Amino acid sequence: DGGITQSPKYLFRKEGQNVTLSCEQNLNHDAMYWYRQDPGQGLRLIYYSQIVNDFQKGDIAEGYSVSREKKESFPLTVTSAQKNPTAFYLCASEGTGANYGYTFGSGTRLTVV
Amino acid sequence: SQQGEEDPQALSIQEGENATMNCSYKTSINNLQWYRQNSGRGLVHLILIRSNEREKHSGRLRVTLDTSKKSSSLLITASRAADTASYFCATDGGSYIPTFGRGTSLIVHP
Repeated sequence: DGGITQSPKYLFRKEGQNVTLSCEQNLNHDAMYWYRQDPGQGLRLIYYSQIVNDFQKGDIAEGYSVSREKKESFPLTVTSAQKNPTAFYLCASEGTGANYGYTFGSGTRLTVV
Repeated sequence: SQQGEEDPQALSIQEGENATMNCSYKTSINNLQWYRQNSGRGLVHLILIRSNEREKHSGRLRVTLDTSKKSSSLLITASRAADTASYFCATDGGSYIPTFGRGTSLIVHP
């Protein structure tokens, strides 16, 4: 079945460490997105990529980095510069035409310990 | 700032009742989408309504869009306990990059 896979489901980070969250899709979608969700805040856009080898900053890109070397993959690195990384991270993809909505992964919950 | 804002923040009803939640937004849109999120899970796409459409149906879901008032509503008819979830609207502000509101938390009591 087609879909988006996020891994790991739970991730613990020590202060000062970089961690990478994986997002893989087999839907042949061009566009991929990373959102952060905090309680009561809704979803906030971190980065998005509409085509391979190209990506754009969203509303809260500081302290994060991404790459898009393959159509299927859009990993997110949470760097040590992100001062408050504890959150629920959601990856999404969208097919060409923006007519059918996003498909979301099941999320990664990141906790700083 | 969020483009779309849902209202109410929380809604508690009995099984069998209808649930209505609203979304207001600030700038012109190409389309508006509604999503559902069960606790600790990803979002599931429910309905997309384009700016030139006024109403769409999908099963027990009915979505309306009033672009003159910059608002949308999601109606769930004959609600079930399994409808308990958070519901989000997403608007694209004309850019085709949706932004999400804070959501409405719906609890349906059996």
